[in-house]
Amino acid sequence: GENVEQHPSTLSVQEGDSAVIKCTYSDSASNYFPWYKQELGKGPQLIIDIRSNVGEKKDQRIAVTLNKTAKHFSLHITETQPEDSAVYFCAATHYGNNRLAFGKGNQVVVIP
Amino acid sequence: KAGVTQTPRYLIKTRGQQVTLSCSPISGHRSVSWYQQTPGQGLQFLFEYFSETQRNKGNFPGRFSGRQFSNSRSEMNVSTLELGDSALYLCASSLAGTSEDEQFFGPGTRLTVL
Repeated sequence: GENVEQHPSTLSVQEGDSAVIKCTYSDSASNYFPWYKQELGKGPQLIIDIRSNVGEKKDQRIAVTLNKTAKHFSLHITETQPEDSAVYFCAATHYGNNRLAFGKGNQVVVIP
Repeated sequence: KAGVTQTPRYLIKTRGQQVTLSCSPISGHRSVSWYQQTPGQGLQFLFEYFSETQRNKGNFPGRFSGRQFSNSRSEMNVSTLELGDSALYLCASSLAGTSEDEQFFGPGTRLTVL
């Protein structure tokens, strides 16, 4: 099955700086890569996703890049704010399969 | 519209007991997936139901089971509870349950096994 690895496990950044989280996946058939943000006491919430026919996608301060050859994808958060502090999960699956394989998560701490 | 709801939010059980957790998906969503979240293993897929049928199953023992009703509400059951079953159990719903659909997660049920 799909195996997703996520690095680093914890990331501390100064407010206003950028944060980057990297994930690798093992199954070359995977073609859908969502990112979720989980705040304390809540379920994960989708913040951005990318499909394998696209190399980069942006949504305001967040962006995701995908390198299919190297089988890795990254989340970029620019101009970080205290409300960006949360656990971020990457995931992967392939077309027709609703089973998401998640990375272990990154705790992002934005220091005011 | 209302989000995914899960009941109860917190549950304490003892080893050997069984437990049933409930998930109500977003109105109109027909797919419900269940995940177990623990600090050590992260989020792990349990199973997915679509139109009352289990369509996909993760690598969990047979003590973990589920079902889906005609209104798309889903329940999962864990029998003969073990200490290691302590976790946050999340359900997620989506329209048709394909990778084209966003999965919306509920707040989870926190199960503690003593």
